[in-house]
Amino acid sequence: RKEVEQDPGPFNVPEGATVAFNCTYSNSASQSFFWYRQDCRKEPKLLMSVYSSGNEDGRFTAQLNRASQYISLLIRDSKLSDSATYLCVVNNEGDMRFGAGTRLTVKP
Amino acid sequence: DADVTQTPRNRITKTGKRIMLECSQTKGHDRMYWYRQDPGLGLRLIYYSFDVKDINKGEISDGYSVSRQAQAKFSLSLESAIPNQTALYFCATSDSFAGGIQPNTGELFFGEGSRLTVL
Repeated sequence: RKEVEQDPGPFNVPEGATVAFNCTYSNSASQSFFWYRQDCRKEPKLLMSVYSSGNEDGRFTAQLNRASQYISLLIRDSKLSDSATYLCVVNNEGDMRFGAGTRLTVKP
Repeated sequence: DADVTQTPRNRITKTGKRIMLECSQTKGHDRMYWYRQDPGLGLRLIYYSFDVKDINKGEISDGYSVSRQAQAKFSLSLESAIPNQTALYFCATSDSFAGGIQPNTGELFFGEGSRLTVL
């Protein structure tokens, strides 16, 4: 079993839709969590960190559930420019593991 | 200039050849990582290093070796390349964590990737 698992999608949604991604992790000792975004043929870039209390950055909301060992990302009012692959990342003392990524396509 | 630089950006080689991918950084970070990316599998960690004297295996280290020549340089070697090592390879850096639980720490900064094809 992979340490970090994501629904690979793809998710195809219309502009303005709300879409949610989930990610589960197996190591209960993991300390910190992140969502990265990767555009086609580009390097991943940090979208947001995920805090225990949940956090929001504009249209993006991240949640962490330590008891159930999952993290989530909610995107509201999807834009065409949100089309990308979203990767969850789990850190255990500097060992940074990625999920396989969820592909999102936002259509007009 | 990029903060994390990978060379070469593209390489085609033959089975059995020795290949080295190099990574250098100007961010002053302690931690450096090598990942490979295959379609549908995301990024998989090969090796990581917390400082010059510290090397750690990731989830798929077999067939690879690394060298941390200096704080700013971290090289990945394939001693005898095989076709299933064809992939996109990323180097990344990260600053040290303070206890590993601070918000906003641990961001990875990636190079642009090195595309390796083994025939």
